Amino acid sequence: ILNVEQSPQSLHVQEGDSTNFTCSFPSSNFYALHWYRWETAKSPEALFVMTLNGDEKKKGRISATLNTKEGYSYLYIKGSQPEDSATYLCAFKPTDSWGKLQFGAGTQVVVTP
Amino acid sequence: DSGVTQTPKHLITATGQRVTLRCSPRSGDLSVYWYQQSLDQGLQFLIQYYNGEERAKGNILERFSAQQFPDLHSELNLSSLELGDSALYFCASSVGGGAPYGYTFGSGTRLTVV
Repeated sequence: ILNVEQSPQSLHVQEGDSTNFTCSFPSSNFYALHWYRWETAKSPEALFVMTLNGDEKKKGRISATLNTKEGYSYLYIKGSQPEDSATYLCAFKPTDSWGKLQFGAGTQVVVTP
Repeated sequence: DSGVTQTPKHLITATGQRVTLRCSPRSGDLSVYWYQQSLDQGLQFLIQYYNGEERAKGNILERFSAQQFPDLHSELNLSSLELGDSALYFCASSVGGGAPYGYTFGSGTRLTVV
């Protein structure tokens, strides 16, 4: 059974502060690593799809890095805003799964003004 | 609106009954995935279809079945329902296997079994 783990489970951030959190995944049979943002009462929304070791992706104040050799990815939020409050999910796709993603349990981020 | 349409949004039914959840993928997407999210659980993969054919299967119970039709919409059938089947069921779609844009999720169907 593949294990995708995210830590911490939740975190509280003051508006304006920066934060980051981790996704760990198996380092073998790597194909892709996805990040999604899931706001309350909405559906998960794709942020990044990362495929190469050393990949760095950026979308506004959110960025992600990828280390496939050691099996981890970091998501960074710079200058957090209340609208960044959401659960951030990572999902691992191994080479032998046609499209199927293994999701982590998520990191819930609460940004307080 | 993500482009993935799921109906119904909410469903309340009794134990032992059968229900059908429907999903229309985003225009142009050939893959459809079904995921279940139960209380305190992450998204659990159930099944994937690509252009009408089953491509991958997860921990889907034998009481559950799915199919993808020629117009690419998909249905998830849940039968002999139990209280533990109460969950949020998501459908997602992608062009192929998910790269480079990831999945597009529908808004989910909240199933409550009483």
